[in-house]
Amino acid sequence: GESVGLHLPTLSVQEGDNSIINCAYSNSASDYFIWYKQESGKGPQFIIDIRSNMDKRQGQRVTVLLNKTVKHLSLQIAATQPGDSAVYFCAETMINAGGTSYGKLTFGQGTILTVHP
Amino acid sequence: DTEVTQTPKHLVMGMTNKKSLKCEQHMGHRAMYWYKQKAKKPPELMFVYSYEKLSINESVPSRFSPECPNSSLLNLHLHALQPEDSALYLCASSQVEGGLHNEQFFGPGTRLTVL
Repeated sequence: GESVGLHLPTLSVQEGDNSIINCAYSNSASDYFIWYKQESGKGPQFIIDIRSNMDKRQGQRVTVLLNKTVKHLSLQIAATQPGDSAVYFCAETMINAGGTSYGKLTFGQGTILTVHP
Repeated sequence: DTEVTQTPKHLVMGMTNKKSLKCEQHMGHRAMYWYKQKAKKPPELMFVYSYEKLSINESVPSRFSPECPNSSLLNLHLHALQPEDSALYLCASSQVEGGLHNEQFFGPGTRLTVL
């Protein structure tokens, strides 16, 4: 079946560096993507989302890029801090032709981000 | 109130027990979800409720029985579970606008151990 996956399972960076976490998706019908951060012992926390009619969206210190041609999604974190250490998941869902999303979110495998002081 | 709460935080049960997990949100969200997450794995969708009606059941075994008593509450009733059902059970909620389910907000989860 189709799935959402990540290229790198782990990423280690120094505090202050920029981090880039990648995600590949195979369902070409996917048109809504979300990045979540999950810290140890907690539920996933929403970071940023993007719809397929956009190729870039910026938040506070985070940017999501979407390349529909190669079905690739990335999360960029600027000036990474130790508090950013967590598992990052991309997730995708589909808005059907009727414009209704049933909320069926499929998560990628996750990337462990470790930030060294 | 901008959070999803789940009780209990931890639950240990035997294979013959009946227990329930509870989830609550007061954000006015009209969609609520149950996910199962095994260690070092992503969350896997189990059920979706939209406007208090079950809209998605991801072929979950009948030993898991969801219930949505009202728009703020979501329960997951457990009966005759197996040790492989041990996992973190996450509840989430989202607003529904024009049929679109917006970003999902997750609770902290219930860590379930089946002996």
